[in-house]
This record gives sequence, structure tokens and C-alpha cells, in this order.
Amino acid sequence: EAQVTQNPRYLITVTGKKLTVTCSQNMNHEYMSWYRQDPGLGLRQIYYSMNVEVTDKGDVPEGYKVSRKEKRNFPLILESPSPNQTSLYFCASSLSFITDTQYFGPGTRLTVL
Amino acid sequence: GESVGLHLPTLSVQEGDNSIINCAYSNSASDYFIWYKQESGKGPQFIIDIRSNMDKRQGQRVTVLLNKTVKHLSLQIAATQPGDSAVYFCASMRGQNFVFGPGTRLSVLP
Repeated sequence: EAQVTQNPRYLITVTGKKLTVTCSQNMNHEYMSWYRQDPGLGLRQIYYSMNVEVTDKGDVPEGYKVSRKEKRNFPLILESPSPNQTSLYFCASSLSFITDTQYFGPGTRLTVL
Repeated sequence: GESVGLHLPTLSVQEGDNSIINCAYSNSASDYFIWYKQESGKGPQFIIDIRSNMDKRQGQRVTVLLNKTVKHLSLQIAATQPGDSAVYFCASMRGQNFVFGPGTRLSVLP
């Protein structure tokens, strides 16, 4: 089944404790992206990747890192999480960035205390 | 600055009626627009898209209209069903990244 998977689905952590949210897609998609979703703000793009080893900042990249060492994986790293990073995070992928449908993962709900 | 917004945060319609969800965008350089549906506890799901060289595009029970003059986008859902209850987002493509609006919650009344 074609899908985007994220792990963990739920995470509660404390300020400053490094964490990684994994994202994997099995569709051989080139374009992958991370979003955060906050009430009243919709989805805001954090980082995106056009292909392996190519990543770029989205609208809200501060406090986040990403890597794209393999085509299928696009982990989101929070080196020193803070409470304002409490949010619902979505990973998405598409065949290419040029007007291809993005497929979204199920989401990761992160709480930083 | 760049923004993509929706005119109403909530919309309630009777089952069987048509729904119209509106969206305004600010960047006239945006050339690709998408509507997504997000059900509770799930990620956004693609509904329909439209390029800036088109005014209208139709899918199954859904139609997207684009008015570039006033930078306005709308999603029309025909014969709204209970399963259409969700939050609907418009998104525009700016360069290589996407900008999403805050969403409109559609409630279908029996």
C-alpha cells in the first residue's frame, strides 16, 4: 500500500531534550516536506526536500533540522525543543514538486513541557 | 506579505445542499492552487487542484473556480453529504513551497 508513515504518532517530552520524528514514504517520491499545524494558522511549511541531499527552508524553519540521506526517509530533528514547538506535525511527499499531489502522513502530535 | 486565507472559519449546510468555501490569496505570482480536506485525526487529503491558466476545474461533485483578477479561489461541493464534514484548506504554490490557509470547518446538518 502506497503511504507516508510517521513515528511516533504521539510524543510528550521536556524542554531541551533532543528528539527526532521519522518520516518514510514507499512511493519513490522525490519531493518531501514537513509542516506544522496550529489552531487558526493552518499548515505552515517547515522544511522541504526536492531530492536526496537537497533540502530548503520553508516558512517556519527556526528550531528544526532535517536530512535527506535516502529518497524514502526525511526525518525532522528538534535539537533543543521548546514549548512553542508543541504542535501537530505532518510529513508529506509527492512525485515531484511541480504540481504533483502531496500525500500526507497521519501526523505526529508533539507536546513540549 | 504573502498569505492565503479563507473568508469564513466555519460553514454549516443542510445535507443535499451545495457548499461553497472561499479562499483569498495575496501573491499574484502563485500559479498553482490546491484544495485539501482534513478529517478529524487524519492528515490532509487532496481534493482538486487548478493551475493559474485555468478558471474552472471540475471533479466528482467538486468544482474549483479561480478568479485571478481578485485573487480568489472557491471550492464548490455539490449535494453535500455527511461524509463531507471536515476542515477544508486551500493552498497556493509559491516557488518551491506551499502556503496553506487557516482552514474552514464544514458541518453538514441532517
